[in-house]
Amino acid sequence: DGGITQSPKYLFRKEGQNVTLSCEQNLNHDAMYWYRQDPGQGLRLIYYSQIVNDFQKGDIAEGYSVSREKKESFPLTVTSAQKNPTAFYLCASSYQASPPKLFFGSGTQLSVL
Amino acid sequence: ILNVEQSPQSLHVQEGDSTNFTCSFPSSNFYALHWYRWETAKSPEALFVMTLNGDEKKKGRISATLNTKEGYSYLYIKGSQPEDSATYLCAFFATDSWGKFQFGAGTQVVVTP
Repeated sequence: DGGITQSPKYLFRKEGQNVTLSCEQNLNHDAMYWYRQDPGQGLRLIYYSQIVNDFQKGDIAEGYSVSREKKESFPLTVTSAQKNPTAFYLCASSYQASPPKLFFGSGTQLSVL
Repeated sequence: ILNVEQSPQSLHVQEGDSTNFTCSFPSSNFYALHWYRWETAKSPEALFVMTLNGDEKKKGRISATLNTKEGYSYLYIKGSQPEDSATYLCAFFATDSWGKFQFGAGTQVVVTP
């Protein structure tokens, strides 16, 4: 089945620790995105990548890092510099259409211990 | 960051009743407006992609209209059923911010039998 796989579903981070959220897609999409959801707020864009080996900051990139070494994979690292990491993280992908329609993974809930 | 607002935040609807809710967005630099449906424990799925002023889209009992000049879109559910229970997100796509959808916080719809 084609789709987007995010793992793990739940993740706990200790103070000062970096954690990495996985996102894999087998839809052959060029573009991939990371969003963060906080209660009562809309999805906010962290980073996006339109092609392999290239990515751009979204609206709230501080404290996060990404890589795009393969078309299928777009991992997100939440660094210790992100002071409020507790949130629900959604990964998405799209064709390079205009406008692009997003296909989402099922998300990762990150909590701080 | 552009302001996309959805109202109401939540709706409780009796089975069989019809309902509608609103997404408002900036009327300048409009490129597209997307509606997504997000059921609990599932991934958000695209419902409609709307690009032209006056667009009307329909999928079963759900339909949407678009007014780009005044900056709003309505989503209608006719004869609500329990399976319509979900959070409905709208996402605005501007001409000058490729890749950066701005999401509203969503309208949560609960349909009770």
